[in-house]
Amino acid sequence: GAVVSQHPSRVICKSGTSVKIECRSLDFQATTMFWYRQFPKQSLMLMATSNEGSKATYEQGVEKDKFLINHASLTLSTLTVTSAHPEDSSFYICSAGRLAEETQYFGPGTRLLVL
Amino acid sequence: SQQGEEDPQALSIQEGENATMNCSYKTSINNLQWYRQNSGRGLVHLILIRSNEREKHSGRLRVTLDTSKKSSSLLITASRAADTASYFCATTGTYKYIFGTGTRLKVLA
Repeated sequence: GAVVSQHPSRVICKSGTSVKIECRSLDFQATTMFWYRQFPKQSLMLMATSNEGSKATYEQGVEKDKFLINHASLTLSTLTVTSAHPEDSSFYICSAGRLAEETQYFGPGTRLLVL
Repeated sequence: SQQGEEDPQALSIQEGENATMNCSYKTSINNLQWYRQNSGRGLVHLILIRSNEREKHSGRLRVTLDTSKKSSSLLITASRAADTASYFCATTGTYKYIFGTGTRLKVLA
């Protein structure tokens, strides 16, 4: 149990377009999901906390209008990178936790390349 | 930055040897967790150690925690080529995780 999926696994887009990344908890409900960004050979940086039914909480320095997060159900959170630029190219990873558990379960990640 | 630090940044060992990596953090924690990441993949949870625990074992993994020094170590015994990956520690204080900088482990066959 505790499987988290992400779709797509990789995406290439043109500069100026928007890209949506989905994060799903397949076999459990997640009231909270987290979105991270990871640059090559670097650590994961938390971007935002996605709360089901309410607005996301963004970390300092993360533009909420640039990275739109929607958590419409207990099993799905989406991250939309709006007006993507080459510097948005990165590896985006989501995670979700089950109620009363201390461990987060991570998705396989989405590699975004903006040309 | 609240990010923790891990050392070494990179470690290369022969198969069968032990690998030790360390993690230091800055704030009070509820627990500390170690994750593994294969290249270009998501994270796999390895082990969780709570703030009131000092040592924990899981198979070939041994984790220690010293809250007075705000540090933890991960020991992988009898390493295998398949252990080649990046290893991250993550601390949780309130609700969110803060990841360390990671150690890239390469196990040579």
